[in-house]
Amino acid sequence: GAVVSQHPSWVICKSGTSVKIECRSLDFQATTMFWYRQFPKQSLMLMATSNEGSKATYEQGVEKDKFLINHASLTLSTLTVTSAHPEDSSFYICSASSIGKVTYEQYFGPGTRLTVT
Amino acid sequence: AQSVSQHNHHVILSEAASLELGCNYSYGGTVNLFWYVQYPGQHLQLLLKYFSGDPLVKGIKGFEAEFIKSKFSFNLRKPSVQWSDTAEYFCASAPAYGGATNKLIFGTGTLLAVQP
Repeated sequence: GAVVSQHPSWVICKSGTSVKIECRSLDFQATTMFWYRQFPKQSLMLMATSNEGSKATYEQGVEKDKFLINHASLTLSTLTVTSAHPEDSSFYICSASSIGKVTYEQYFGPGTRLTVT
Repeated sequence: AQSVSQHNHHVILSEAASLELGCNYSYGGTVNLFWYVQYPGQHLQLLLKYFSGDPLVKGIKGFEAEFIKSKFSFNLRKPSVQWSDTAEYFCASAPAYGGATNKLIFGTGTLLAVQP
């Protein structure tokens, strides 16, 4: 149990376009979902935390108008990178936690590699 | 501010060798500590976690970690590694109390390569 999927796993887009990444909890209800960004050879950096039905909480330095997060249901959160630029190219990873699961434990998706040309 | 540092960026071992990966955290209060593993092409998986109690924590696949509060450390150990342990290992911390108990802060990761 506790499987999290992401779609797509890899996306290439042109500069100026928008890209939507989906994060789904397949076998549990995710009360909270997290979005991370990972640069090559660097750590995962938390971008934002979203609770179902409410606005996401963004970390300092993350542009909320550029990285739109929606957590409309207990099994789905989306990250939309708006007006993408080459510097947005990165590996984006989501995770999910649930009050029904082990406290404080996050279950990670496989990640989405975004390349902006 | 909360931070996690991993000093070993790349470790190469032969099979059956013992492993110890260093992790130090910085935070003004009580923390929960985690080790995650990412096998090639796979997602992050939890190896073990420490919340309270016995500072020696045992996880999956024969891994263990020891929380030493005086040293702000949470080193990962395995007495005998296998080729299948080749992966990237991440140490992480989160505040134990307050509104940010689920905000994980990750270290930069240690890439372990085990040679057969």
